[in-house]
Amino acid sequence: QVQLQESGPGLVKPSGTLSLTCAVSGGSISSTNWWSWVRQPPGKGLEWIGEIYHSGSTNYNPSLKSRVTISVDKSKNQFSLRLSSVTAADTAVYYCASRNGEVLLTSFDFWGQGTLVTVSS
Amino acid sequence: DIQMTQSPSTLSASVGDRVTITCRASQSISSWLAWYQQKPGKAPKIMIYKASSLESGVPSRFSGSGSGTEFTLTISSLQPDDFATYYCQQYNSYPWTFGQGTKVEIK
Repeated sequence: QVQLQESGPGLVKPSGTLSLTCAVSGGSISSTNWWSWVRQPPGKGLEWIGEIYHSGSTNYNPSLKSRVTISVDKSKNQFSLRLSSVTAADTAVYYCASRNGEVLLTSFDFWGQGTLVTVSS
Repeated sequence: DIQMTQSPSTLSASVGDRVTITCRASQSISSWLAWYQQKPGKAPKIMIYKASSLESGVPSRFSGSGSGTEFTLTISSLQPDDFATYYCQQYNSYPWTFGQGTKVEIK
């Protein structure tokens, strides 16, 4: 069973870059899964940010695409999120999640526990 | 983007009640819909996928139905562990989008 664990700074300054990593255990990042980032502002709903396949192929939410980069590090069995030019509106719990890529359309089956990132000076 | 609208936003119910949550998509998503349960401070947990398929380990009191643009999640007999927020999510087309959530609270 795949397990996901987010890590990274809990506080980022406005206009800075948010950087998070998701460590994958119990499976290989080079499997047929797609690896996603999803965020949830305090007290609000869920927003999908983007996803990556081990080949490096990515899909991003157009609402964030200009500021988002998702990358994969096969040697460390992890993937990462970078979100640039952050504002207070980017304050959220950030989750990493996975979905089976063996078929085209699948839901998220595994989630990390989430990490709160606050944007504040 | 496909907009997902859930109703109601909050639902007050008692243990043993039959509960139904509705999710509507702004365009047809066939059966590419999932339901997640989220408890405070925890990650979402998949409950139903492909509109009506029960995820392994999820109690049979949970069921999903619908296709196209209208979907429902039903809990046949609400249990204490079921008080949580439920989200629908479409995975028919990018970007994947979620409903705003339905909080099931104790009456």
